[in-house]
Amino acid sequence: EDQVTQSPEALRLQEGESSSLNCSYTVSGLRGLFWYRQDPGKGPEFLFTLYSAGEEKEKERLKATLTKKESFLHITAPKPEDSATYLCAVQTANTGNQFYFGTGTSLTVIP
Amino acid sequence: EADIYQTPRYLVIGTGKKITLECSQTMGHDKMYWYQQDPGMELHLIHYSYGVNSTEKGDLSSESTVSRIRTEHFPLTLESARPSHTSQYLCASRSSNQPQHFGDGTRLSIL
Repeated sequence: EDQVTQSPEALRLQEGESSSLNCSYTVSGLRGLFWYRQDPGKGPEFLFTLYSAGEEKEKERLKATLTKKESFLHITAPKPEDSATYLCAVQTANTGNQFYFGTGTSLTVIP
Repeated sequence: EADIYQTPRYLVIGTGKKITLECSQTMGHDKMYWYQQDPGMELHLIHYSYGVNSTEKGDLSSESTVSRIRTEHFPLTLESARPSHTSQYLCASRSSNQPQHFGDGTRLSIL
């Protein structure tokens, strides 16, 4: 059964304290792994797509990486405005038009 | 910037009422999706569409219907609202080989 698990559920960081969020997956044939940011009362906002193991993508203080079993979202020197819930989703070869989402990591960055 | 709009943003309504949640996108995307999101839980797929006159059921489809008469419009209808339908409903769209773009959701409360 295809499954996506995110950890930790919640993370509190001091401003400037770097850390990583994890998204582990067990799927039959990964077609793509997606990271989203969701602010309260808003829909998820697309951040990155990763397609194959070893791939990396960067945007400002965020860097996403992918292995055959998991993806990491590294946050370098976070700022309070990085506080949000970060969601991971996978698209599989079996269900190409459907996406499986994790439950998200709620990140709070304290000034 | 994705252009996908959901109305209403908030709705409080009594049990037994018929409800239609609206979703429109101006990007010409062929694929559209409805998800249900509860706090701390993953997004659950309700319905999706590959294109005009094509709809498919997701995991939570049994108590709702959708239609796709025009590319840009994908409304979700609950024939008889129940308190268990209280949730946030998110609409998304995408074109092939692209990530999903989300609206800001409709927060539905059934009394």
